Amino acid sequence: DQQVKQNSPSLSVQEGRISILNCDYTNSMFDYFLWYKKYPAEGPTFLISISSIKDKNEDGRFTVFLNKSAKHLSLHIVPSQPGDSAVYFCAAVLTGANSKLTFGKGITLSVRP
Amino acid sequence: EAQVTQNPRYLITVTGKKLTVTCSQNMNHEYMSWYRQDPGLGLRQIYYSMNVEVTDKGDVPEGYKVSRKEKRNFPLILESPSPNQTSLYFCASRPWGSVYNSPLHFGNGTRLTVT
Repeated sequence: DQQVKQNSPSLSVQEGRISILNCDYTNSMFDYFLWYKKYPAEGPTFLISISSIKDKNEDGRFTVFLNKSAKHLSLHIVPSQPGDSAVYFCAAVLTGANSKLTFGKGITLSVRP
Repeated sequence: EAQVTQNPRYLITVTGKKLTVTCSQNMNHEYMSWYRQDPGLGLRQIYYSMNVEVTDKGDVPEGYKVSRKEKRNFPLILESPSPNQTSLYFCASRPWGSVYNSPLHFGNGTRLTVT
C-alpha cells in the first residue's frame, strides 16, 4: 500500500510557464515533507521541504504548498526552465529514530524551450 | 567535495554469486541508509545505520546484509543474489539529529542486473 502517491507519471510545460507537481499521502502522522530532483545517471538531490506545521515554503523559483486536511502537497516551479527537466520525487517523513523517507513513484517533468 | 560514493556504478552478475556494493561518505555523517528504486515503486529503504555497529532493517531487507564497522563506510551485501534483486540502488547519508535541518545526501546509484 503506497503511502505517498504521485499519480501523474509525467508533465510537460512550456519554458517560462508554471509547473505544478502534485503529491498525495495517506498517513496523517507524517510530519515533514520533501521534494527531491533526479537527473539521469545521478542520485536524487534535495530541493525543498516543508514541516507539517506550515502550509507554504518558498525558495527562489520553487514553492511547496501543504494542505493537511486534504493530505496533499504540491510543488510549484515559476518560471520553468529547460534545466528543470528531471524526475521529481515527493517524500514524507515520520520523525523518529530512523526518520525514514517514504517516497512516491516520481513525476517526469519536461520543460520545452 | 562533500559526497557519497558508490561502487560499482554498473554490475551484471548471475544468480547465487555473492556480491558487495560499497558506499563511502566523506561528510562524517552518523546516519547512512540503502534504498532501491524500481519502476512504479519509487525508492524503498533496505537497511539503515544510525552509527558505527548500529544497523537495522528498513522496508525491504530480505536477501540483503549490511555492516557498519567504520563511520564512513556502509557496504551492501547480497549473499545469494536473485533476479528479483535487479534494481537501481542508492546509498544515502545525513548527520544525526533532526531531519528538518539535514536532508539525505544520495550517491549516484548502482545499477545491478542479476541473470
